[in-house]
Amino acid sequence: DVKVTQSSRYLVKRTGEKVFLECVQDMDHENMFWYRQDPGLGLRLIYFSYDVKMKEKGDIPEGYSVSREKKERFSLILESASTNQTSMYLCASSGQPNQPQHFGDGTRLSIL
Amino acid sequence: AQSVTQLDSQVPVFEEAPVELRCNYSSSVSVYLFWYVQYPNQGLQLLLKYLSGSTLVESINGFEAEFNKSQTSFHLRKPSVHISDTAEYFCAVSNFGNEKLTFGTGTRLTIIP
Repeated sequence: DVKVTQSSRYLVKRTGEKVFLECVQDMDHENMFWYRQDPGLGLRLIYFSYDVKMKEKGDIPEGYSVSREKKERFSLILESASTNQTSMYLCASSGQPNQPQHFGDGTRLSIL
Repeated sequence: AQSVTQLDSQVPVFEEAPVELRCNYSSSVSVYLFWYVQYPNQGLQLLLKYLSGSTLVESINGFEAEFNKSQTSFHLRKPSVHISDTAEYFCAVSNFGNEKLTFGTGTRLTIIP
């Protein structure tokens, strides 16, 4: 079974801090994704990566960056956290095109 | 751009009653369709998928969904719900050859004992 592991379930940070959210998958998947989930808005794609060191912007990339130095690890970075980035963040991975994405359990991030 | 509409944000249903969760998508080009389920405090789990072939797809826990190309719909149904089906359900669509998914806003299914 595919395992996608997010480093923290809950995280509390202060405005202006640089925040790192880590995600690791164990199935050698090429594609990895970061979403944020907000009530009434569903999941919105922040960034995705289809290969090591490759990245593409999703629908809401402003205020975020990503890093993929190794195939199994995809990091989301909040350069200077703001209160409107308080949300649930979900990481996912997938292999072949159009195959299902597999999700981690999410990180609930609060910015105070 | 692709869009997905889940018409009902909340659906309350009595236990053992049938349920239908509606999903419509915008694009008429070749699509792949998914339903995901999210239990409280968890990530999303794949419930079922339509990639090709039979338009009726089933999951192992009694849900089914039918791909209707003419109506651009992929509604999720279950003939008899259980308390354990309480969760949020998300419909998602991807276009052929595209790794990205577009999600609906979700439907919260509440089972009334």
